[in-house]
Order: sequence, then structure tokens, then C-alpha cells
Amino acid sequence: QVHLVESGGGAVQPGRSLRLSCASSGFTFSHHALHWVRLAPGKRLDWVAVISHDGNIENYADSVRGRFTISRDNSKNTMSLQINSLRPEDTGIYYCARDESEYRSSRWDYWGQGTLVTLSS
Amino acid sequence: QSALTQPASVSGSPGQSITISCTGTSSDVGAYKFVSWYQRLPGKAPKLIIFDVNNRPSGVSARFFGYKSGNTASLTISGLRAEDEADYYCASYTNIDTFVFGGGTKVTVL
Repeated sequence: QVHLVESGGGAVQPGRSLRLSCASSGFTFSHHALHWVRLAPGKRLDWVAVISHDGNIENYADSVRGRFTISRDNSKNTMSLQINSLRPEDTGIYYCARDESEYRSSRWDYWGQGTLVTLSS
Repeated sequence: QSALTQPASVSGSPGQSITISCTGTSSDVGAYKFVSWYQRLPGKAPKLIIFDVNNRPSGVSARFFGYKSGNTASLTISGLRAEDEADYYCASYTNIDTFVFGGGTKVTVL
């Protein structure tokens, strides 16, 4: 059974950093691309980033490029998202999603339950 | 990349059919087959219900039907049920190798 479990969220001051993780099980991790998707407070969904199955290709939404870094460790079946220079618009629930393909497709068939990132004063 | 345009809300009575539109541009929806739809129940993660414009994952009801014409994709839910009440989002691949979501549509079953 496929499982994706996000962790690392919390309340962070603006301008600080945070590292989110996505642990997986139940499938051959190295065969699939992975995405991060954010559910913003107003219920808007934002695509954040994607990493290919082997970690060689990454891409980011314009709003996070240069501040966020996606990575993966296929030996540990984990993916991470390093968030730097946190901004108010970065708040929300961050989901990791499995892509059915090795790089990108429209078939994101399994999602974790999300980890919440909020700003503290 | 601007978000795809969806109506904020759509409602219907049980048994009726409703359609949710998703309008993009020739740089995203109009250009690629990588259009998908997600259902999000309150407090839950999004669930894939349509991929590649008109394909359903196994286990998804045949009452969900996706199609595309030009720059607009659409999701039709037939035989509306109370359990269909949720937020629905479209998503598309773009010409700059990114993805973009619609703003979401709240479906209410009257």
C-alpha cells in the first residue's frame, strides 16, 4: 500500500528557513517523480516544485524559484523541500504527491496528508 | 504563470448533472493533454479523479467525465450525490515546464 507522510512544518518567523520532508513506502520510490503542492489559506492550490525520479531534473514555480530547493534520497525513500527566506505567501499546507511517471505527467495518483507551515511574529 | 479560471461555486440537486469549466490559454490547457482534475473533501488531501483530459483512475466513478475544447477543459459530474460535495480543482502542464492549478470550485448539493 502506497504511503506518503510529510513532516517538518511549523510556525516560523518571516525570513527564516524550514525543511519539509516526505517519507514514502509501498512502492519503488526511484521509479517516480514527486511534486510539492501547497494549499493556501484561502483554499487555493499552488504547484510548488517537481523532481524527476533520479533527482537530475528539478523545476519550480516562479514564486518560489531561488528560495526553495527540492531534493530526494532514493536510498532512504525520502524527498525534501528546503524553504529559505520565508514569506507570508508561503503559508499553507504542503503536500507531497507521487507522479505516475519518471518526470512529469498529469497523473499524480497518491498524496500525503500534508504538513502545515505558518508564520509567527 | 496565471492561475486557470474556474467558477467559484456550482450547485445542483441530487441526480442532476453539473459542469465545471477550467479556462486557460494556448500555453497551457490548449496546448497539452496534461490536464487533470482533483477532488478535495474538507480536511482531506486532494484526490485525482481525471488525468490526461479524460481518463479516470481505477476506482473513480464513471459519473465523472472530463473533456477539453480549445483552451477550456471541463468536468461533468452526472447523477449528483451528496458525497460529491467538495472543492474541485483543475491543473495543467505549461509551456515553461511547470504546472498551474485553477482557483477551485466549490460544489454544493442542494
